Amino acid sequence: GAGVSQSPRYKVAKRGQDVALRCDPISGHVSLFWYQQALGQGPEFLTYFQNEAQLDKSGLPSDRFFAERPEGSVSTLKIQRTQQEDSAVYLCASSLGLSVGGNTEAFFGQGTRLTVV
Amino acid sequence: GNSVTQMEGPVTLSEEAFLTINCTYTATGYPSLFWYVQYPGEGLQLLLKATKADDKGSNKGFEATYRKETTSFHLEKGSVQVSDSAVYFCALSGGYNKLIFGAGTRLAVHP
Repeated sequence: GAGVSQSPRYKVAKRGQDVALRCDPISGHVSLFWYQQALGQGPEFLTYFQNEAQLDKSGLPSDRFFAERPEGSVSTLKIQRTQQEDSAVYLCASSLGLSVGGNTEAFFGQGTRLTVV
Repeated sequence: GNSVTQMEGPVTLSEEAFLTINCTYTATGYPSLFWYVQYPGEGLQLLLKATKADDKGSNKGFEATYRKETTSFHLEKGSVQVSDSAVYFCALSGGYNKLIFGAGTRLAVHP
């Protein structure tokens, strides 16, 4: 597709359930990012991949959060034993280059809205 | 650490009014600065950017100037349209691999 695609668009999970969120980046994009956006807030960085290597996971809030990009394209963000505070929109972005500054633009998907009940 | 503060919304304007959305930042080094826009039902889109002090980013009639002395990157547009109604996010590059966003400002433009 032409842009970053995320699925599902909406997910309702019962507390304690595991969820998996998928991101299809723009073809050929080296860098992939995951962000968490709470209601009424700006996106907050979770993790960064350069091809299949996860180079930065400093933003993951707990060890219940796990992300992978095994073949350097599609990525999955997994949340184990979901809790109510995990309710948020999870955004994926990709970029052609190795950074988000300078002349490299990050393209965002529409996000997955996760609601934990 | 690095952070971005932008004016709280919502901002409500009539069509053709002048728009300013304030953004200030705290950062070590010399980050790039960005404005992203989120239209209803769509993903974040880059609106404009500036990569060094005194640079002016511009796009679709919007402008913002990278002011190092006041650590600001205010967004302006001379004449807003209904189609500009959206949420606007100021951001900086916090290192090579992450963007740090403000909380967002919702703009509503009425005919």
